[in-house]
Amino acid sequence: AQSVSQHNHHVILSEAASLELGCNYSYGGTVNLFWYVQYPGQHLQLLLKYFSGDPLVKGIKGFEAEFIKSKFSFNLRKPSVQWSDTAEYFCAVNYGGSQGNLIFGKGTKLSVKP
Amino acid sequence: DAGITQSPRHKVTETGTPVTLRCHQTENHRYMYWYRQDPGHGLRLIHYSYGVKDTDKGEVSDGYSVSRSKTEDFLLTLESATSSQTSVYFCAISGHSTGYGYTFGSGTRLTVV
Repeated sequence: AQSVSQHNHHVILSEAASLELGCNYSYGGTVNLFWYVQYPGQHLQLLLKYFSGDPLVKGIKGFEAEFIKSKFSFNLRKPSVQWSDTAEYFCAVNYGGSQGNLIFGKGTKLSVKP
Repeated sequence: DAGITQSPRHKVTETGTPVTLRCHQTENHRYMYWYRQDPGHGLRLIHYSYGVKDTDKGEVSDGYSVSRSKTEDFLLTLESATSSQTSVYFCAISGHSTGYGYTFGSGTRLTVV
């Protein structure tokens, strides 16, 4: 079955630490990949997306993600987190790259200590 | 996001009453979705629509129905609200122009007492 796995349920970091959140998907064909962020009390907002081309994609607020096809992974990174990055992060995959629903991971909650 | 609005933003209702939540889009996207979000469960798909009058069930559709009579509106109805339906409900839209990525509405916080 098509699925998305996020390895960490809750990550706690201090400000200025580097961040990497894991995301793996289950299907080896064409995929569109997304990371969403949900700040406390708000709705999900798009951080970045990958459709094709350069596997290193840059998003808003200094976030980036790398698509590694051989590992079915799309990990999210940020070199130096800030307290304002405290949020929940969701990885999502559109399998087939065409019409169809997004499959979401369960989310990773990030807490950044000031 | 300006292209999608949900109403109401908050609602408190009594057990057994019907409730309708509205999602309105101005993007002319083909696909619309209703999710619920609960602590420990992430996002769960309730129903979705791939066009006017074309809808389908998601993973947690029991107790919910939907209608889409116009491209821009997608209604979610709780036929007889129960306390287990207390949740935050999000609508989302997607289309070819977004690579089928979603744009989410601001959510409706529903409390069933």
